[in-house]
Amino acid sequence: KQEVTQIPAALSVPEGENLVLNCSFTDSAIYNLQWFRQDPGKGLTSLLLIQSSQREQTSGRLNASLDKSSGRSTLYIAASQPGDSATYLCAVTRGGNNRKLIWGLGTSLAVNP
Amino acid sequence: NAGVTQTPKFQVLKTGQSMTLQCAQDMNHEYMSWYRQDPGMGLRLIHYSVGAGITDQGEVPNGYNVSRSTTEDFPLRLLSAAPSQTSVYFCASNYRGGGTEAFFGQGTRLTVV
Repeated sequence: KQEVTQIPAALSVPEGENLVLNCSFTDSAIYNLQWFRQDPGKGLTSLLLIQSSQREQTSGRLNASLDKSSGRSTLYIAASQPGDSATYLCAVTRGGNNRKLIWGLGTSLAVNP
Repeated sequence: NAGVTQTPKFQVLKTGQSMTLQCAQDMNHEYMSWYRQDPGMGLRLIHYSVGAGITDQGEVPNGYNVSRSTTEDFPLRLLSAAPSQTSVYFCASNYRGGGTEAFFGQGTRLTVV
């Protein structure tokens, strides 16, 4: 059974710091991995999607990497800002015909001015 | 662009009442899904649809019904509300199941008393 774990559950950093959020999954047979952001009381916004054949994706100050063989993904946030404060979730899509998303519990990030 | 629209945003029900949560998307997405989000349990899939006229159960389907008569709409019906259904509900859509970026609605916060 595929399980997704995110560590740490919560993180508090000063503004300007570079930081890494971790996501691990137990079954390497994935179709892709997505990172999402959720603001309090809001829906989820997709940040980056990495296909299983890719190693990384970049969008602005965000960089996500994928190591399928070790079951790990990292989300790197450069020069963090208070506006980055949110919960970050990762989700993997199963391979095969079943394309459901399997979710981690998220990392709650606070960037302090 | 409207994206995924959910209504209502907040709802209080009495035990035993029924109601329908509405979800509409204007992106011509084939795949739509309903999740519930509870503290410490993450996002759990209730029902999903791979196209008009086709629906299937997710992890936690009991007490909920869905239908998909059009590509745009995917309503979630609570048949007889129970306190255990107090949660935040999210509707999501994407073009081809888990293979593409998922778009989420803003959520419905439901309280059953």
